[in-house]
Amino acid sequence: KAGVTQTPRYLIKTRGQQVTLSCSPISGHRSVSWYQQTPGQGLQFLFEYFSETQRNKGNFPGRFSGRQFSNSRSEMNVSTLELGDSALYLCASSSTPPETQYFGPGTRLLVL
Amino acid sequence: AQSVTQPDIHITVSEGASLELRCNYSYGATPYLFWYVQSPGQGLQLLLKYFSGDTLVQGIKGFEAEFKRSQSSFNLRKPSVHWSDAAEYFCAVGQPTDKLIFGTGTRLQVFP
Repeated sequence: KAGVTQTPRYLIKTRGQQVTLSCSPISGHRSVSWYQQTPGQGLQFLFEYFSETQRNKGNFPGRFSGRQFSNSRSEMNVSTLELGDSALYLCASSSTPPETQYFGPGTRLLVL
Repeated sequence: AQSVTQPDIHITVSEGASLELRCNYSYGATPYLFWYVQSPGQGLQLLLKYFSGDTLVQGIKGFEAEFKRSQSSFNLRKPSVHWSDAAEYFCAVGQPTDKLIFGTGTRLQVFP
């Protein structure tokens, strides 16, 4: 089976812009979770989608949003980017959360 | 509050030496427990997991971990470290339908 894929792998944006990241889960997995990883804060949970519904949400501002499509692919959007949003954004999929989450390679976002 | 503590930020061992990475958690119930490894610029790879049953679990790449309920610990071990094991290691805990909580990670350096 193919693993979790994330696109794009690298992204450079400027403050105030918005960005959309994409995640394709492992075939058959219905849950997709998003995490932000930074050197200062470590791995922090953003949100989790299951069957197109947001089931869990972390403590991030409303500028961070996501959605899941009927084929379980997920996108996350960050509006009005800030310098502090520079991070590695990781997506993970599982068949039954959080039984075992399998991670993608991440999207590295740099905000200038 | 739910939390995961990895007390060792950085560990250095010689190739061939044994390894133990510590993980302690604070959680309301017996959680699911995981160890992940991350190479630079990469996503997280699952090493092993504990859900229930035998408290000594075997993982990939020769790693094992032992769940000790009385100590709220889930330490990762390897009898003989290889240079390719150099990476960052994350302990995580979770429950069904809940998010994963990660420790801050332990960076492993291996000297030849």
